[in-house]
Amino acid sequence: EAGVAQSPRYKIIEKRQSVAFWCNPISGHATLYWYQQILGQGPKLLIQFQNNGVVDDSQLPKDRFSAERLKGVDSTLKIQPAKLEDSAVYLCASSLDRAWRNTEAFFGQGTRLTVV
Amino acid sequence: QKEVEQDPGPLSVPEGAIVSLNCTYSNSAFQYFMWYRQYSRKGPELLMYTYSSGNKEDGRFTAQVDKSSKYISLFIRDSQPSDSATYLCAMRYNAGNMLTFGGGTRLMVKP
Repeated sequence: EAGVAQSPRYKIIEKRQSVAFWCNPISGHATLYWYQQILGQGPKLLIQFQNNGVVDDSQLPKDRFSAERLKGVDSTLKIQPAKLEDSAVYLCASSLDRAWRNTEAFFGQGTRLTVV
Repeated sequence: QKEVEQDPGPLSVPEGAIVSLNCTYSNSAFQYFMWYRQYSRKGPELLMYTYSSGNKEDGRFTAQVDKSSKYISLFIRDSQPSDSATYLCAMRYNAGNMLTFGGGTRLMVKP
């Protein structure tokens, strides 16, 4: 079974530039998450999708971050404009269904963003 | 106060030692508890998943949950150098699947 695919693996941009990350979840997984992991910290949820609808985006800085999952499969996360404090690893995860009590969330390898 | 607290370490142990990793949490609404292992430059992978208070064993790993004390632990027996990684505790409420993570404990097992 193929895992969660993310690209690019690494990205370096200057502050105030824009950047986009892509995620392809495990086939058949209805729920998709984007997490931000700052160095030395645990992942923090940015947004959760159920199919192509947003379930939770309460911690997404909406003035600069946006995410979409138009066809309910792959997803993109965009930052515009980037700030220095956005330097982090952006992790995508997917699970079968949020309503199932015992579903496991599988993570991709992440995109490491450095803002200079 | 963070919802989930975890000692960042690093924790350095000799090969073969028993390792104890711990998390405390403040919200009694958390019902599901997980431990993830994260190797350097990789995404987290699920190690253990527990729901009720008590112990759950899987090979060299034992997860322990004490809901009354809001305290969870992961024990690793006969630790190996390949266990060197960051261990993240995570938990979620009954509904939905949003995970709240601790900050992670970095473990180093020396040959």
